[in-house]
Amino acid sequence: QQQVKQSPQSLIVQKGGIPIINCAYENTAFDYFPWYQQFPGKGPALLIAIRPDVSEKKEGRFTISFNKSAKQFSLHIMDSQPGDSATYFCAASGEGSSNTGKLIFGQGTTLQVKP
Amino acid sequence: DTAVSQTPKYLVTQMGNDKSIKCEQNLGHDTMYWYKQDSKKFLKIMFSYNNKELIINETVPNRFSPKSPDKAHLNLHINSLELGDSAVYFCASSLYGQFVPEAFFGQGTRLTVV
Repeated sequence: QQQVKQSPQSLIVQKGGIPIINCAYENTAFDYFPWYQQFPGKGPALLIAIRPDVSEKKEGRFTISFNKSAKQFSLHIMDSQPGDSATYFCAASGEGSSNTGKLIFGQGTTLQVKP
Repeated sequence: DTAVSQTPKYLVTQMGNDKSIKCEQNLGHDTMYWYKQDSKKFLKIMFSYNNKELIINETVPNRFSPKSPDKAHLNLHINSLELGDSAVYFCASSLYGQFVPEAFFGQGTRLTVV
């Protein structure tokens, strides 16, 4: 049972382009939706996160759009750079006040930004 | 200073052996996790400890046994290693019950069973 579905599996864009990665979730109890960035040989690092009480969050060139009714959220990378080439994971978490922080990850998207 | 550190970074061993991976965090967090990343890069939680108490135990073979001597350390011992155990294992930590439960990951341990 895949509770968080991520697409596309891979993505190639030119420098300056705006890659968009989409995720959909099933469990309406989820209340925290982070995106992680992973470079080869490194651990995942938190990029940006959102809670379902807002529809959009921006941090620098990274924007999360959130659609609670559709149970979908997406990551947009503005003015993408070759240094953004990495694997991106969406995730979901949330068990109310007893949140253990357990993350359910999407399948990951490998992004390549060409110079 | 490394926030979440794992040792070793690489581990190559034969089938049937027993091995351990160690993890330490210096962030003052009270909850630590083990995640497994398979060859397709899929990340899945295995275990979690909060203040030395096991709070998450996903469907993992009982050959895998986590141990937390204190809230800053979480080790993973694997008995009778199998080829299918080959993966990258990540340790992570966070603060329990936070409104924003940000998890910090270690650099991973690449386990190869031959």
